Amino acid sequence: DTGVSQDPRHKITKRGQNVTFRCDPISEHNRLYWYRQTLGQGPEFLTYFQNEAQLEKSRLLSDRFSAERPKGSFSTLEIQRTEQGDSAMYLCASSLELAEAFFGQGTRLTVV
Amino acid sequence: KQEVTQIPAALSVPEGENLVLNCSFTDSAIYNLQWFRQDPGKGLTSLLLIQSSQREQTSGRLNASLDKSSGRSTLYIAASQPGDSATYLCAVIGSLDTGNQFYFGTGTSLTVIP
Repeated sequence: DTGVSQDPRHKITKRGQNVTFRCDPISEHNRLYWYRQTLGQGPEFLTYFQNEAQLEKSRLLSDRFSAERPKGSFSTLEIQRTEQGDSAMYLCASSLELAEAFFGQGTRLTVV
Repeated sequence: KQEVTQIPAALSVPEGENLVLNCSFTDSAIYNLQWFRQDPGKGLTSLLLIQSSQREQTSGRLNASLDKSSGRSTLYIAASQPGDSATYLCAVIGSLDTGNQFYFGTGTSLTVIP
């Protein structure tokens, strides 16, 4: 297993367009997290899955954001009607229960 | 709500020096504390995990300590090298009942000068 994989690594989109990011966690990990990070800041929590169940969502996750984890494997994060303020690094992490968490390389989103 | 603070925000040291990075958290009811490294434009790389029942963990030139009751952790880097230059982040997570997210500090940006 090569770790947590995120795709794409970079995405440039026009304001108002929809974008979707994918995260493939480490295969035996039941927990999957999405975080957002802007320049000079620590990662901010967006949402968390335990297997296929989305158990918590941050207030940062407006109704334009939706995340899924079908069958408890990979996860997708969709942003509808993107805004310039959505420009950030989107990070995915996975862990087995509360053990060590591993992060992917992130998806850098730029909204122009 | 858990708040995590890292001091200093930036640190510059000459190669070979030993250094300490600090992390403090407001709610001592944590399950784990994890230190990460982040290179510019990249994701986070896990360095060390300390469970709440542990006092310290070591990996190579890195040693992390945890004082849960006072809400503090330190990351000690021995004999620093230019390749250690990066941002170091600490994160805490609560128990199985409350541990649905990691809370991160804003990081310490380390520069090791050759």
